[in-house]
Amino acid sequence: GQNIDQPTEMTATEGAIVQINCTYQTSGFNGLFWYQQHAGEAPTFLSYNVLDGLEEKGRFSSFLSRSKGYSYLLLKELQMKDSASYLCAVSRSGGYNKLIFGAGTRLAVHP
Amino acid sequence: EAGVTQFPSHSVIEKGQTVTLRCDPISGHDNLYWYRRVMGKEIKFLLHFVKESKQDESGMPNNRFLAERTGGTYSTLKVQPAELEDSGVYFCASSQFQGGGYTEAFFGQGTRLTVV
Repeated sequence: GQNIDQPTEMTATEGAIVQINCTYQTSGFNGLFWYQQHAGEAPTFLSYNVLDGLEEKGRFSSFLSRSKGYSYLLLKELQMKDSASYLCAVSRSGGYNKLIFGAGTRLAVHP
Repeated sequence: EAGVTQFPSHSVIEKGQTVTLRCDPISGHDNLYWYRRVMGKEIKFLLHFVKESKQDESGMPNNRFLAERTGGTYSTLKVQPAELEDSGVYFCASSQFQGGGYTEAFFGQGTRLTVV
């Protein structure tokens, strides 16, 4: 079967660092995506990992361990505008964008 | 460049009625996907078009749902007749043809469908 787990909610302070974890179980793994979604808006692409290791992109970094079925999204120097839902999604072989989503993590950044 | 656009943004219909959702992908994107998020649940895949052909429709819930993409441009998703459990947000996404590696999928803002 397919299963993606991530925390439902997290809170953090402006300027701090937060790590959002995602564990997955799926067959035919072909990469893991992180998307950001503000309320009422379209999910927007943040990162893609298919090989083990850390991908850094500005204030955001994403890590993948395929052997452990584990990923995290690291957000540094948090800003109020980072308050949003963060969606972990796995791509299966045969369809890069046929994504299997987790339920999302709602992050609230406080002053 | 225009992003993925969906119409309408909101729709409220009565049980048993028909609703048609429209998605205009980014120009030149061969891949078009429909997803759905029902209340409190995760976003789930419905189907995938490559140009005008249905590549994968394994996520379509039942035969009340019909998706088309005539001419390989915009797509429509029709629900007929609508049931209460069809309420949710319907997302469309598009991406360029993938010859290897990944291509970023761009999502629309979604259509919020409420069946009463």
